[in-house]
Amino acid sequence: DAKTTQPPSMDCAEGRAANLPCNHSTISGNEYVYWYRQIHSQGPQYIIHGLKNNETNEMASLIITEDRKSSTLILPHATLRDTAVYYCIVRVASGANSKLTFGKGITLSVRP
Amino acid sequence: NAGVMQNPRHLVRRRGQEARLRCSPVKGHSHVYWYRQLPEEGLKFMVYLQKENIIDESGMPKERFSAEFPKEGPSILRIQQVVRGDSAAYFCASSSGFRGRDEKLFFGSGTQLSVL
Repeated sequence: DAKTTQPPSMDCAEGRAANLPCNHSTISGNEYVYWYRQIHSQGPQYIIHGLKNNETNEMASLIITEDRKSSTLILPHATLRDTAVYYCIVRVASGANSKLTFGKGITLSVRP
Repeated sequence: NAGVMQNPRHLVRRRGQEARLRCSPVKGHSHVYWYRQLPEEGLKFMVYLQKENIIDESGMPKERFSAEFPKEGPSILRIQQVVRGDSAAYFCASSSGFRGRDEKLFFGSGTQLSVL
Protein backbone atom coordinates (compact mmCIF):
# COMPACT_ATOMS: atom_id res chain seq x y z
CA ASP A 1 0.00 0.00 0.00
CA ALA A 2 1.05 3.54 -0.72
CA LYS A 3 2.89 5.33 2.06
CA THR A 4 1.86 8.78 0.88
CA THR A 5 -1.20 10.99 1.11
CA GLN A 6 -2.11 13.62 -1.45
CA PRO A 7 -5.14 15.89 -1.89
CA PRO A 8 -7.41 14.47 -4.58
CA SER A 9 -7.28 17.49 -6.84
CA MET A 10 -6.14 21.03 -7.34
CA ASP A 11 -6.04 23.59 -10.08
CA CYS A 12 -3.88 26.46 -11.08
CA ALA A 13 -3.77 29.13 -13.75
CA GLU A 14 -1.66 28.71 -16.82
CA GLY A 15 1.70 30.38 -16.44
CA ARG A 16 1.62 30.27 -12.67
CA ALA A 17 3.54 27.93 -10.42
CA ALA A 18 1.80 24.73 -9.38
CA ASN A 19 2.74 23.50 -5.91
CA LEU A 20 1.68 19.91 -5.31
CA PRO A 21 1.92 18.73 -1.69
CA CYS A 22 2.58 15.22 -0.43
CA ASN A 23 2.71 13.75 3.06
CA HIS A 24 4.89 10.73 3.84
CA SER A 25 5.15 10.78 7.61
CA THR A 26 6.26 7.13 7.91
CA ILE A 27 9.13 7.38 5.46
CA SER A 28 12.31 5.57 6.45
CA GLY A 29 15.76 7.04 6.25
CA ASN A 30 16.80 5.17 3.12
CA GLU A 31 13.60 5.58 1.14
CA TYR A 32 13.38 7.89 -1.83
CA VAL A 33 10.51 10.16 -2.82
CA TYR A 34 9.53 9.88 -6.48
CA TRP A 35 7.11 11.89 -8.54
CA TYR A 36 5.48 10.60 -11.71
CA ARG A 37 2.60 11.88 -13.75
CA GLN A 38 0.11 10.26 -16.06
CA ILE A 39 -1.47 12.29 -18.80
CA HIS A 40 -4.83 10.83 -19.78
CA SER A 41 -4.24 7.15 -20.55
CA GLN A 42 -0.58 7.38 -21.43
CA GLY A 43 2.20 5.58 -19.60
CA PRO A 44 3.47 7.21 -16.40
CA GLN A 45 6.15 9.79 -16.97
CA TYR A 46 9.02 10.29 -14.57
CA ILE A 47 9.35 13.80 -13.19
CA ILE A 48 11.89 13.86 -10.37
CA HIS A 49 13.07 12.04 -7.27
CA GLY A 50 15.10 12.77 -4.16
CA LEU A 51 16.26 11.47 -0.81
CA LYS A 52 17.03 14.39 1.50
CA ASN A 53 18.11 17.38 -0.49
CA ASN A 54 15.99 19.54 -2.72
CA GLU A 55 16.24 18.61 -6.37
CA THR A 56 15.66 20.49 -9.60
CA ASN A 57 15.60 19.43 -13.20
CA GLU A 58 14.23 20.76 -16.45
CA MET A 59 10.69 19.76 -15.54
CA ALA A 60 10.24 20.60 -11.89
CA SER A 61 11.66 21.16 -8.43
CA LEU A 62 11.26 18.88 -5.46
CA ILE A 63 11.33 20.38 -1.99
CA ILE A 64 11.68 17.88 0.87
CA THR A 65 11.22 19.05 4.43
CA GLU A 66 14.10 18.63 6.85
CA ASP A 67 12.29 15.87 8.76
CA ARG A 68 11.43 14.26 5.40
CA LYS A 69 7.81 13.79 6.41
CA SER A 70 6.48 15.81 3.52
CA SER A 71 7.49 17.21 0.17
CA THR A 72 6.26 19.58 -2.51
CA LEU A 73 6.55 19.25 -6.25
CA ILE A 74 6.80 22.60 -7.98
CA LEU A 75 6.03 23.12 -11.64
CA PRO A 76 7.37 26.64 -12.09
CA HIS A 77 5.26 27.72 -15.05
CA ALA A 78 2.31 25.43 -15.56
CA THR A 79 0.93 24.95 -19.05
CA LEU A 80 -2.27 23.30 -20.25
CA ARG A 81 -0.20 20.24 -21.15
CA ASP A 82 0.67 19.78 -17.49
CA THR A 83 -2.92 18.76 -16.76
CA ALA A 84 -2.49 15.20 -15.46
CA VAL A 85 -2.61 12.94 -12.43
CA TYR A 86 0.53 13.38 -10.34
CA TYR A 87 1.75 10.57 -8.15
CA CYS A 88 3.98 11.02 -5.13
CA ILE A 89 5.60 7.69 -4.29
CA VAL A 90 7.90 6.52 -1.54
CA ARG A 91 10.14 3.83 -2.92
CA VAL A 92 10.72 1.30 -0.20
CA ALA A 93 13.92 -0.54 0.60
CA SER A 94 15.77 -2.38 -2.14
CA GLY A 95 15.94 -6.04 -2.97
CA ALA A 96 12.63 -7.72 -3.65
CA ASN A 97 10.79 -4.53 -2.82
CA SER A 98 12.16 -2.31 -5.56
CA LYS A 99 8.78 -1.68 -7.11
CA LEU A 100 6.98 1.66 -7.14
CA THR A 101 3.58 1.56 -5.44
CA PHE A 102 1.16 4.07 -6.90
CA GLY A 103 -1.59 5.62 -4.83
CA LYS A 104 -4.50 7.66 -6.15
CA GLY A 105 -2.42 10.71 -6.92
CA ILE A 106 -3.56 14.27 -7.27
CA THR A 107 -5.36 15.49 -10.35
CA LEU A 108 -3.92 18.79 -11.46
CA SER A 109 -6.07 20.89 -13.75
CA VAL A 110 -4.38 23.83 -15.42
CA ARG A 111 -6.88 26.44 -16.52
CA PRO A 112 -6.32 28.99 -19.28
CA ASN B 1 17.65 5.66 -28.14
CA ALA B 2 14.49 3.60 -27.94
CA GLY B 3 12.50 3.64 -24.74
CA VAL B 4 10.31 0.85 -23.42
CA MET B 5 8.39 -0.68 -26.29
CA GLN B 6 5.13 -2.47 -25.73
CA ASN B 7 3.10 -4.31 -28.29
CA PRO B 8 0.52 -4.60 -29.39
CA ARG B 9 -0.82 -1.17 -28.53
CA HIS B 10 -4.37 -2.51 -28.60
CA LEU B 11 -5.43 -6.12 -28.24
CA VAL B 12 -8.93 -7.48 -28.58
CA ARG B 13 -9.76 -10.97 -27.36
CA ARG B 14 -12.91 -12.96 -26.88
CA ARG B 15 -13.66 -14.57 -23.55
CA GLY B 16 -11.69 -17.77 -23.12
CA GLN B 17 -8.88 -16.82 -25.48
CA GLU B 18 -5.29 -16.19 -24.52
CA ALA B 19 -3.64 -12.77 -24.47
CA ARG B 20 0.10 -12.25 -24.84
CA LEU B 21 1.51 -8.83 -24.09
CA ARG B 22 5.10 -8.03 -24.98
CA CYS B 23 7.53 -5.61 -23.43
CA SER B 24 10.97 -4.75 -24.74
CA PRO B 25 12.85 -2.81 -22.07
CA VAL B 26 15.25 0.02 -22.64
CA LYS B 27 18.44 -1.38 -24.17
CA GLY B 28 20.70 -2.61 -21.41
CA HIS B 29 17.96 -2.82 -18.80
CA SER B 30 17.55 -6.16 -17.07
CA HIS B 31 14.73 -5.30 -14.65
CA VAL B 32 11.12 -5.29 -15.80
CA TYR B 33 7.93 -4.40 -13.95
CA TRP B 34 4.34 -4.99 -15.05
CA TYR B 35 1.39 -2.87 -13.89
CA ARG B 36 -2.31 -3.03 -14.59
CA GLN B 37 -4.72 -0.13 -14.68
CA LEU B 38 -8.41 -0.91 -14.64
CA PRO B 39 -10.79 1.70 -16.04
CA GLU B 40 -11.01 4.75 -13.80
CA GLU B 41 -8.61 3.21 -11.30
CA GLY B 42 -4.98 3.60 -10.32
CA LEU B 43 -1.93 1.65 -11.37
CA LYS B 44 -1.55 -1.66 -9.60
CA PHE B 45 1.76 -3.49 -9.43
CA MET B 46 1.64 -7.02 -10.77
CA VAL B 47 5.12 -8.52 -11.07
CA TYR B 48 8.82 -7.64 -11.00
CA LEU B 49 11.29 -9.68 -12.99
CA GLN B 50 14.98 -9.73 -13.60
CA LYS B 51 16.44 -11.66 -16.47
CA GLU B 52 15.08 -15.22 -16.20
CA ASN B 53 13.89 -14.71 -12.62
CA ILE B 54 10.67 -13.60 -10.97
CA ILE B 55 11.60 -11.44 -8.01
CA ASP B 56 8.22 -10.26 -6.75
CA GLU B 57 4.88 -11.53 -8.00
CA SER B 58 2.81 -10.34 -5.08
CA GLY B 59 0.41 -8.48 -7.35
CA MET B 60 -0.25 -11.25 -9.81
CA PRO B 61 -3.63 -12.99 -9.73
CA LYS B 62 -3.17 -16.57 -8.59
CA GLU B 63 -4.68 -18.11 -11.68
CA ARG B 64 -4.47 -17.57 -15.43
CA PHE B 65 -1.70 -14.94 -15.26
CA SER B 66 1.98 -15.60 -15.81
CA ALA B 67 5.03 -13.56 -16.72
CA GLU B 68 8.48 -14.30 -18.01
CA PHE B 69 11.60 -12.40 -18.99
CA PRO B 70 13.85 -14.79 -20.90
CA LYS B 71 17.55 -14.38 -21.43
CA GLU B 72 16.88 -13.33 -25.00
CA GLY B 73 13.84 -11.45 -26.20
CA PRO B 74 11.10 -9.39 -24.64
CA SER B 75 9.24 -9.89 -21.41
CA ILE B 76 5.86 -11.55 -21.88
CA LEU B 77 2.75 -11.18 -19.75
CA ARG B 78 0.41 -14.03 -20.54
CA ILE B 79 -3.24 -14.18 -19.62
CA GLN B 80 -5.00 -17.46 -20.24
CA GLN B 81 -8.76 -17.84 -20.68
CA VAL B 82 -9.41 -14.12 -20.52
CA VAL B 83 -12.56 -12.77 -18.91
CA ARG B 84 -14.21 -9.37 -19.26
CA GLY B 85 -12.69 -8.27 -15.97
CA ASP B 86 -9.23 -8.53 -17.51
CA SER B 87 -10.01 -5.57 -19.75
CA ALA B 88 -7.50 -2.94 -18.71
CA ALA B 89 -4.38 -1.07 -19.69
CA TYR B 90 -1.21 -3.01 -18.98
CA PHE B 91 1.99 -1.05 -18.55
CA CYS B 92 5.53 -2.24 -18.49
CA ALA B 93 8.49 -0.42 -16.95
CA SER B 94 12.20 -1.10 -16.95
CA SER B 95 15.36 -0.12 -15.14
CA SER B 96 18.99 -1.17 -15.19
CA GLY B 97 19.00 -2.08 -11.52
CA PHE B 98 22.47 -0.66 -11.04
CA ARG B 99 21.42 2.03 -8.60
CA GLY B 100 18.61 0.28 -6.74
CA ARG B 101 16.20 2.71 -5.19
CA ASP B 102 18.05 5.70 -6.62
CA GLU B 103 17.01 4.95 -10.16
CA LYS B 104 13.96 5.87 -12.13
CA LEU B 105 11.73 3.45 -13.92
CA PHE B 106 10.94 4.08 -17.57
CA PHE B 107 7.40 3.22 -18.60
CA GLY B 108 6.06 2.12 -21.94
CA SER B 109 2.89 3.41 -23.61
CA GLY B 110 0.94 0.37 -22.52
CA THR B 111 -1.25 -2.28 -24.10
CA GLN B 112 -4.99 -1.75 -23.96
CA LEU B 113 -6.64 -5.15 -23.63
CA SER B 114 -10.32 -5.39 -24.47
CA VAL B 115 -12.18 -8.63 -23.82
CA LEU B 116 -15.43 -9.09 -25.71
